[in-house]
Amino acid sequence: AQKVTQAQTEISVVEKEDVTLDCVYETRDTTYYLFWYKQPPSGELVFLIRRNSFDEQNEISGRYSWNFQKSTSSFNFTITASQVVDSAVYFCALSEAMGNNRLAFGKGNQVVVIP
Amino acid sequence: SQTIHQWPATLVQPVGSPLSLECTVEGTSNPNLYWYRQAAGRGLQLLFYSVGIGQISSEVPQNLSASRPQDRQFILSSKKLLLSDSGFYLCAWRPENTEAFFGQGTRLTVV
Repeated sequence: AQKVTQAQTEISVVEKEDVTLDCVYETRDTTYYLFWYKQPPSGELVFLIRRNSFDEQNEISGRYSWNFQKSTSSFNFTITASQVVDSAVYFCALSEAMGNNRLAFGKGNQVVVIP
Repeated sequence: SQTIHQWPATLVQPVGSPLSLECTVEGTSNPNLYWYRQAAGRGLQLLFYSVGIGQISSEVPQNLSASRPQDRQFILSSKKLLLSDSGFYLCAWRPENTEAFFGQGTRLTVV
């Protein structure tokens, strides 16, 4: 069965520092999809990125970057030069292509950016 | 474009009362639908998901049930609420193998 582990529960950083969020997943499928979402204090879930298992290219979007390593089953997320607006809970999620579309989330990382 | 509606936004219910949360999707057909719960300070727990009318997969045995009476409608119910049912409930829809789109959520407090 699929499983997503986000070990760090709360991370505090001072503004302008970088922060990396770890995501480790387990799946028996060879085709799967990984996601990151942001949940600001207002509660809605904001989609950040999707990556399929055949695309191991790292991606950068502004201050956000993602490092996908199939060899270690990890899909880590880095926020560079953090800002107060980055304070939120960040979730990693996994969906197996043959898994009847079940979409499972990790427990989330609470990021607190201190001004 | 597709939109997802979830209501109510907040709800305070006494222990032992029934619950019905409704979620509807517009602008798409045969979506995959999901109910998640987020207890205070904790992660997103998948409660139910559905790939079609009348098809419900339950993740965790609990005091809740789900139904999908129409293609774009997903209902979360309980006959008798418990204090432990308090939390933030999120409905989501998802096309095949893409990202999920979430509703605004319902904050349920059982008193």
